[in-house]
Amino acid sequence: DIQMTQSPSSLSASVGDRVTITCRASQSINFFLNWYQQKPGKAPNLLIFAASSLQSGVPSRFSGSGSGTDFTLTISSLESEDFATYYCQQSYNAPPTFGGGTKVEIK
Amino acid sequence: EVQLLESGGGLVQPGGSLRLSCAASGFIFSNSDMSWVRQAPGKGLEWVSTISGSDGGKFYADSVKGRFTISRDNSKNTLDLQMSSLRAEDTAVYFCAKAQLTRISVLRGATVKGWFFDLWGRGTLVSVSS
Repeated sequence: DIQMTQSPSSLSASVGDRVTITCRASQSINFFLNWYQQKPGKAPNLLIFAASSLQSGVPSRFSGSGSGTDFTLTISSLESEDFATYYCQQSYNAPPTFGGGTKVEIK
Repeated sequence: EVQLLESGGGLVQPGGSLRLSCAASGFIFSNSDMSWVRQAPGKGLEWVSTISGSDGGKFYADSVKGRFTISRDNSKNTLDLQMSSLRAEDTAVYFCAKAQLTRISVLRGATVKGWFFDLWGRGTLVSVSS
């Protein structure tokens, strides 16, 4: 199975900050990398697919980049509703595997 | 409205069985690959199973293979997960999710697929405990 490693596991930030989350795959997954946001008690919500494609309805302050084994999710200017946990997921091979999550908290 | 709504969760004893259902609306269910993804309390996300919309092919995580069975009824727009021989480690919120196929390859003679998940239900809690 392809292992997905996210860093950091948590971070504290303020409204307006630029936030970057990293995801690393245990083998090359080309651009088959997706990002989700999950708020407490809610279902995950797809933000980015294919490494850099913004899902319909997702604000443009979210962006994704990377290919191969190293990927990044960036929030250009953090807003209050962005405090949540973020997961990466590879869709290169079955089984689909997720990173351990990055919790973005209010500083 | 485009939505998925799970039902059937509850408390079950180790070794017991439970059947989860997911009602889909607002999209062409029969054409869609559908999945179950679970999340243990306080933990991350784990893919459980996917059923293909095109040919009904079924795929399972090793952790549930032989114990869980995924099925669908395209006439009713429903997805099911029959769970048996349940263990404490199966305790989780189970999410129904619409899956987008991204890649098909052949690995050692077996078809391997990749998906991401673009629509999720609210989830249903399964607790396995005596």
